[in-house]
Amino acid sequence: GAVVSQHPSRVICKSGTSVKIECRSLDFQATTMFWYRQFPKQSLMLMATSNEGSKATYEQGVEKDKFLINHASLTLSTLTVTSAHPEDSSFYICSAGSGVSNSPLHFGNGTRLTVT
Amino acid sequence: AQSVTQLGSHVSVSEGALVLLRCNYSSSVPPYLFWYVQYPNQGLQLLLKYTSAATLVKGINGFEAEFKKSETSFHLTKPSAHMSDAAEYFCAVSEGTGNQFYFGTGTSLTVIP
Repeated sequence: GAVVSQHPSRVICKSGTSVKIECRSLDFQATTMFWYRQFPKQSLMLMATSNEGSKATYEQGVEKDKFLINHASLTLSTLTVTSAHPEDSSFYICSAGSGVSNSPLHFGNGTRLTVT
Repeated sequence: AQSVTQLGSHVSVSEGALVLLRCNYSSSVPPYLFWYVQYPNQGLQLLLKYTSAATLVKGINGFEAEFKKSETSFHLTKPSAHMSDAAEYFCAVSEGTGNQFYFGTGTSLTVIP
């Protein structure tokens, strides 16, 4: 089946630094990638949708200057949390889709970000 | 607009008992429906999907779900719960182009030995 690799799985950084999370589709071309944030015991909150070669579309309330998304190729999207603060600590998950309406999204294993 | 409702944020069953996790959706067009499972500190794994073929869909790990248009439901079932089924389960709906998914709030399944 389709595989999405997300790296790193865990990261601890100091307040004020930036962290980059990578999401790769390993065996298919991901025309669209999604970034989610998940708080403990809660559902996934969609942060942004990115299409290869174009600017990401951010959901309401998500700061695009803080959460920089790049989707430079059909197999790679990155999320950079800039000037991280403790309140940014969370579980971030990416998913990738082929653009076909009835095909499932394939998820990465998530990144646990802790900002100290 | 799409929405997904999962009744019951927590469900507990005894090992060997029937598992029933409820999902209702609202959609103005025939939807595509999915169930995902999430184990602690991991991403989501696809259990099964409905894409307008057979209304009874069989997935991995012995799970199945039935699409009932009249009830706008897509409940997930498993005849006999196993300890390894303990996890968080999400129902999701996709309306069409762009793979835009809408997730339910999730149901945490506990299996009691």
